[in-house]
Amino acid sequence: NAGVTQTPKFQVLKTGQSMTLQCAQDMNHEYMSWYRQDPGMGLRLIHYSVGAGITDQGEVPNGYNVSRSTTEDFPLRLLSAAPSQTSVYFCASSSRPGSYNEQFFGPGTRLTVL
Amino acid sequence: QQQVKQSPQSLIVQKGGIPIINCAYENTAFDYFPWYQQFPGKGPALLIAIRPDVSEKKEGRFTISFNKSAKQFSLHIMDSQPGDSATYFCAASIMGAQKLVFGQGTRLTINP
Repeated sequence: NAGVTQTPKFQVLKTGQSMTLQCAQDMNHEYMSWYRQDPGMGLRLIHYSVGAGITDQGEVPNGYNVSRSTTEDFPLRLLSAAPSQTSVYFCASSSRPGSYNEQFFGPGTRLTVL
Repeated sequence: QQQVKQSPQSLIVQKGGIPIINCAYENTAFDYFPWYQQFPGKGPALLIAIRPDVSEKKEGRFTISFNKSAKQFSLHIMDSQPGDSATYFCAASIMGAQKLVFGQGTRLTINP
């Protein structure tokens, strides 16, 4: 199993550009989520999904969109990038919503917005 | 506001020492308290986790101590090694291990 994979690993955008961060998992996990990691702030939840077709907002959702058309994929879209979105983004998954099973994190995407 | 507060921000310990990282939380509804370890350029990985029905949990050289009345929990690393040098995050969640609220992180350095 590859676990949780993310692409790209690095990305530089100009203010106002759009892009999609890709996330996939091959563990048949129902729950998937996106976090951003900023210095001194830990990781903060952006959006999450409890299954295909179901998404909801986390702590810091503004400026980001998500969709979940399949169990495996959970892309994160930035419609108009801003410098404040410069961060490292992590996708995570776990088997069942409401379970205490481990949440697995991907390797991250480092995004810089100029 | 930060629902989970972690200290210290950074910590340097000699090999064989016992680093201790502390976290405090506000929300008494939290019922799952994991610690994650992150190496540079990698994603966080679960190290150890505890539920509030126990006061201590050990896995190898790593121990979580949990004080429900004080709303605090801590990570102890016994016989620390240079390979333990990493950033450690505490976290908390409600009714499952999913919507994690993270602390600010502690950069731990173990000197040889």
